[in-house]
Amino acid sequence: NAGVTQTPKFQVLKTGQSMTLQCAQDMNHNSMYWYRQDPGMGLRLIYYSASEGTTDKGEVPNGYNVSRLNKREFSLRLESAAPSQTSVYFCASSVAPGNEQYFGPGTRLTVT
Amino acid sequence: AQTVTQSQPEMSVQEAETVTLSCTYDTSESDYYLFWYKQPPSRQMILVIRQEAYKQQNATENRFSVNFQKAAKSFSLKISDSQLGDAAMYFCAYRSESSHLWGSRLTFGEGTQLTVNP
Repeated sequence: NAGVTQTPKFQVLKTGQSMTLQCAQDMNHNSMYWYRQDPGMGLRLIYYSASEGTTDKGEVPNGYNVSRLNKREFSLRLESAAPSQTSVYFCASSVAPGNEQYFGPGTRLTVT
Repeated sequence: AQTVTQSQPEMSVQEAETVTLSCTYDTSESDYYLFWYKQPPSRQMILVIRQEAYKQQNATENRFSVNFQKAAKSFSLKISDSQLGDAAMYFCAYRSESSHLWGSRLTFGEGTQLTVNP
């Protein structure tokens, strides 16, 4: 099993550009999450999804949108990238709320 | 809101020695989980150990053990017989005992960078 996969691994954007980070899990998990990791800080929750078709804002949702396309996939979109969004982005999934979260390898995004 | 604090940005240890990483947290809840995650240079987040707050016994996983002091809201990680492969960023994390997705989110500390010297 691949677990949680994320694409791309690295991305450089110019301010104002848009892009979508992709995440997929093959563990038949119901819940999925997007976090960002900044230097000197732990991971912070951007958005999460309890199940297909359901999404909710986390701690730092501004500037992002998400789509839970199906049970496997949970994408994160930056409509107009800003330098403050330079970060490492992690996707995670769990069987259900309250169960252990499994993390993807992360996407390093730089916005210039 | 819960907060997690790791007061040691960097730690170092000699190979085969023991090192302890500190973590404190703040919560008004009585039921929760605590975790230590390891993040090597590959960036993969790897669960090292977990502790249920209702359990008085400290969790142990091979060379990794915790010292959980509920009253003091302290959760330290001890790594025995340190190996070069233990070098990584270590994150302490808190999760509420909740069946709701928002309540079950992980709250992370700032991380401690561990260096293992040969």
